[in-house]
Amino acid sequence: SQTIHQWPATLVQPVGSPLSLECTVEGTSNPNLYWYRQAAGRGLQLLFYSVGIGQISSEVPQNLSASRPQDRQFILSSKKLLLSDSGFYLCAWGSMDTQYFGPGTRLTVL
Amino acid sequence: TQLLEQSPQFLSIQEGENLTVYCNSSSVFSSLQWYRQEPGEGPVLLVTVVTGGEVKKLKRLTFQFGDARKDSSLHITAAQPGDTGLYLCAVRNSGGSNYKLTFGKGTLLTVNP
Repeated sequence: SQTIHQWPATLVQPVGSPLSLECTVEGTSNPNLYWYRQAAGRGLQLLFYSVGIGQISSEVPQNLSASRPQDRQFILSSKKLLLSDSGFYLCAWGSMDTQYFGPGTRLTVL
Repeated sequence: TQLLEQSPQFLSIQEGENLTVYCNSSSVFSSLQWYRQEPGEGPVLLVTVVTGGEVKKLKRLTFQFGDARKDSSLHITAAQPGDTGLYLCAVRNSGGSNYKLTFGKGTLLTVNP
């Protein structure tokens, strides 16, 4: 069966510090991978998606970036965090019709 | 304008009551998914509906896809505290990249014991 991992589970970072969130998937090959942000427990905002190694599509202009160095690894990064980057970050893998989400990372920028 | 409008935004009921939440759009979709998200966790897929008029049941949950495939409803019978969570509907993008899902903003359901 497929499993998706995210870490860390929670993170508190000062404004201006760098960020690296990691997501890995087990039990599937060449998955589509996605990064979402969710504010205040409501709707999901798609940030990035990837259909293969090194292939990243950005949905929203921002100070975040994503990378896919390996088939089942997806990384979300920032060089300098903003207060507005606080939120719940979710990684997902899936097909066109269905997505399976990781447990999420709660990021607080102070 | 949101592609998917979910209503109500918030719903607080007592254990044992029935409820219905809605996901509406002016667009036609080939399929629609419902997810439930518990606090502090990622959303979990409940069901995918594909055919107009389709009804699917998952224990006390009944999902219906509108005849015109523009809307969907989720009915919960005899709600329990364990049903508490954020209910999200999602559809596949029809234009541009079809690798993406678009989510509604969700209905936040609280079932009080």
